[in-house]
Amino acid sequence: GENVEQHPSTLSVQEGDSAVIKCTYSDSASNYFPWYKQELGKGPQLIIDIRSNVGEKKDQRIAVTLNKTAKHFSLHITETQPEDSAVYFCAASIRTGFQKLVFGTGTRLLVSP
Amino acid sequence: GAVVSQHPSRVICKSGTSVKIECRSLDFQATTMFWYRQFPKQSLMLMATSNEGSKATYEQGVEKDKFLINHASLTLSTLTVTSAHPEDSSFYICSARQGAVEKLFFGSGTQLSVL
Repeated sequence: GENVEQHPSTLSVQEGDSAVIKCTYSDSASNYFPWYKQELGKGPQLIIDIRSNVGEKKDQRIAVTLNKTAKHFSLHITETQPEDSAVYFCAASIRTGFQKLVFGTGTRLLVSP
Repeated sequence: GAVVSQHPSRVICKSGTSVKIECRSLDFQATTMFWYRQFPKQSLMLMATSNEGSKATYEQGVEKDKFLINHASLTLSTLTVTSAHPEDSSFYICSARQGAVEKLFFGSGTQLSVL
């Protein structure tokens, strides 16, 4: 079945720096890759997603890149702010009757003022 | 984005009792809803997939008689943890999909503590 690996598990940056989180997936049939931000005690919030027919997508300070050949996708956050501190999860779609998401193990991002 | 409401946000119950968690899509019709379980500092583990008007599909290792799922309408799915035990204590999160759209929207989660 699909396996999604996510690195790093923790990431500490200074305010204003950039942060990059990387994921790899195993199922070449996966075609949808969302990123979620989860704050303590809350449900995940979709922050950006990308489909397999696109190599890059950007939304203000957040961007996602996808390399289908290598089965890699990455989240890039520029000009980080303390409120960006949270756990970030990547996910990849799988098709088994219903389209489901397989989640990465999460990255705890800490942005220090 | 679409809004998914989940209640209660926190529940404490005695061992042996049953607990019901509700998940509602507020501004869209959710043909498919998913229920996840999350342990502290871990990822989301899919428990089951529910489609309106049909039986839920459970992931391997998830007891369907323990975790009862009902998707009675296009805006409501419920998860009932039956005869809860301390090991059932966890953070339960629902998510909903609008039709064939791929985006999943999550509820705010329910922290279940079984004493």
